[in-house]
Amino acid sequence: GEDVEQSLFLSVREGDSSVINCTYTDSSSTYLYWYKQEPGAGLQLLTYIFSNMDMKQDQRLTVLLNKKDKHLSLRIADTQTGDSAIYFCAESISGGSGTYKYIFGTGTRLKVLA
Amino acid sequence: KAGVTQTPRYLIKTRGQQVTLSCSPISGHRSVSWYQQTPGQGLQFLFEYFSETQRNKGNFPGRFSGRQFSNSRSEMNVSTLELGDSALYLCASSFGGGEPQHFGDGTRLSIL
Repeated sequence: GEDVEQSLFLSVREGDSSVINCTYTDSSSTYLYWYKQEPGAGLQLLTYIFSNMDMKQDQRLTVLLNKKDKHLSLRIADTQTGDSAIYFCAESISGGSGTYKYIFGTGTRLKVLA
Repeated sequence: KAGVTQTPRYLIKTRGQQVTLSCSPISGHRSVSWYQQTPGQGLQFLFEYFSETQRNKGNFPGRFSGRQFSNSRSEMNVSTLELGDSALYLCASSFGGGEPQHFGDGTRLSIL
């Protein structure tokens, strides 16, 4: 079945780069996403990549997709204390007849140390 | 452009009661999905509506139901509430077709 896995925790020092990793099992994904969730809030769409791309850069964020290894990563450059949050990896998969399923990972809690 | 709006933000109910949660999607989005988020189970998919039709359903009991109106606004209903229904309920909207989903801030439901 479809599954998305992430490590639970990551701790980095302010100013360093953070790399959050994700692996997925279904190779028929259409898009892959990164969301950020802060306490008491919903999931904020950070960035996403179409499944036929290898890399996408958006300001401090870089997404790398390795389709062969089914591995997705999110690199945050110059990590700030405001980046402390839970980060979710997700993929959308066609279910046929125009329907799509969204599979979410369990989230990685990023803690940025001042 | 207004984001996804969920009301109410907080609800306290007792066991056996029922509850209705509301979601207004981003203008132009026809797909609305509902998720339940708990510390133990993570983010679990409830159902998806597109143009007033339920297209996908997760593995939840029949006490959980929903509907979508012609203006794409959606409601979710939970009947005969149980303690285990305490969770953050999130609504997400999109254009459909696997396009990015945008989430509201959720409704925090507490069952006493």
